[in-house]
Amino acid sequence: AQSVTQPDIHITVSEGASLELRCNYSYGATPYLFWYVQSPGQGLQLLLKYFSGDTLVQGIKGFEAEFKRSQSSFNLRKPSVHWSDAAEYFCAVGAQGTALIFGKGTTLSVSS
Amino acid sequence: DAGVTQSPTHLIKTRGQHVTLRCSPISGHKSVSWYQQVLGQGPQFIFQYYEKEERGRGNFPDRFSARQFPNYSSELNVNALLLGDSALYLCASSLGATAYNEQFFGPGTRLTVL
Repeated sequence: AQSVTQPDIHITVSEGASLELRCNYSYGATPYLFWYVQSPGQGLQLLLKYFSGDTLVQGIKGFEAEFKRSQSSFNLRKPSVHWSDAAEYFCAVGAQGTALIFGKGTTLSVSS
Repeated sequence: DAGVTQSPTHLIKTRGQHVTLRCSPISGHKSVSWYQQVLGQGPQFIFQYYEKEERGRGNFPDRFSARQFPNYSSELNVNALLLGDSALYLCASSLGATAYNEQFFGPGTRLTVL
């Protein structure tokens, strides 16, 4: 069955430090992979997506993610975190049609 | 341009009641999907509608139903509410019916069942 695992429930990073959020997926075929961010009271916003091709994808707000088929991973990274990056981050895999299967999310806190 | 809009913003119901949630997609978008997000969890897919036809259904009981209107807006209906139906209900719209089409999410409707 298709599934997404985000091993870290909560991460705290100092402002200006680098960030890596982990995501592992289970999917039979070539996956469509996504990272979304959700701020309090806001809907989900797409940060980046991977369909095929270059395994390092660039997104908005300075985020990037790397697809590693051998590890079934799609980790999200940012070289320097800003206080405004504090939010909930969700990794998702595309299923049939537009259906997305989401992980449980990782809460990012940014300390000054 | 207006984004995806949902109404109402918040809703309180009691067990056994019925609820209707509404979603207006971005202009020109023909696909609408519904998700349920329980507190502390990721969103879970409920339905997808494209051109007024159901294109996908998640693992939800028959108490959940939806429809899409000629103007592509959509309603999600939940009958015989249970406490466990308390959640944030998200609507997403996209131009097409596949994962290639970016989905844009609305702010959600917060449903509380007492």
